[in-house]
Amino acid sequence: KAGVTQTPRYLIKTRGQQVTLSCSPISGHRSVSWYQQTPGQGLQFLFEYFSETQRNKGNFPGRFSGRQFSNSRSEMNVSTLELGDSALYLCASSQRPTGDRNYGYTFGSGTRLTVV
Amino acid sequence: DAKTTQPNSMESNEEEPVHLPCNHSTISGTDYIHWYRQLPSQGPEYVIHGLTSNVNNRMASLAIAEDRKSSTLILHRATLRDAAVYYCILRDLSGTYKYIFGTGTRLKVLA
Repeated sequence: KAGVTQTPRYLIKTRGQQVTLSCSPISGHRSVSWYQQTPGQGLQFLFEYFSETQRNKGNFPGRFSGRQFSNSRSEMNVSTLELGDSALYLCASSQRPTGDRNYGYTFGSGTRLTVV
Repeated sequence: DAKTTQPNSMESNEEEPVHLPCNHSTISGTDYIHWYRQLPSQGPEYVIHGLTSNVNNRMASLAIAEDRKSSTLILHRATLRDAAVYYCILRDLSGTYKYIFGTGTRLKVLA
């Protein structure tokens, strides 16, 4: 069974540009969450999608957005990149929405974004 | 937000048991306690979770205090491959149910 696939693995962008990251969840998983990981702030929740609907959103500016497609694949977009957006972006999928606390997540290996 | 407190780092000798503690004094009655670990250059990996009773799986055991204000992840025989950052996590109480990751415990396993 394939795991959570994130593409690309590494990305270098210039300040002011925008970027789109992709996540393919495990087959049959309908919930996809995104997290940002930095050395200073650790792992922080960005947003969660279930059945193409955003269910939860973390405390990030509107430059961070996402969407989920009918096949459960998800993308996140960051516009007007800033140096502080350099981070490891992690995607996690689950069979159930995160409201079901008896289920865990499977994380991908992440996309390492560097903004220069 | 429900918060957890873990030691920043711990060391263990290979082949010995490891007890990783976690305090969660603000846990609600229906919150599950989840443990994940993150190996270098990888995303977090699910380890175990529980509600009230102790739990065992092939990776580890989870011991939950009777008052649920603390828990302990037990690795029965640490190997070099267990060197990772271990996160103890509760679900957010506000209804958004997102994971709130703390700083975790960095486990170093000595050969």
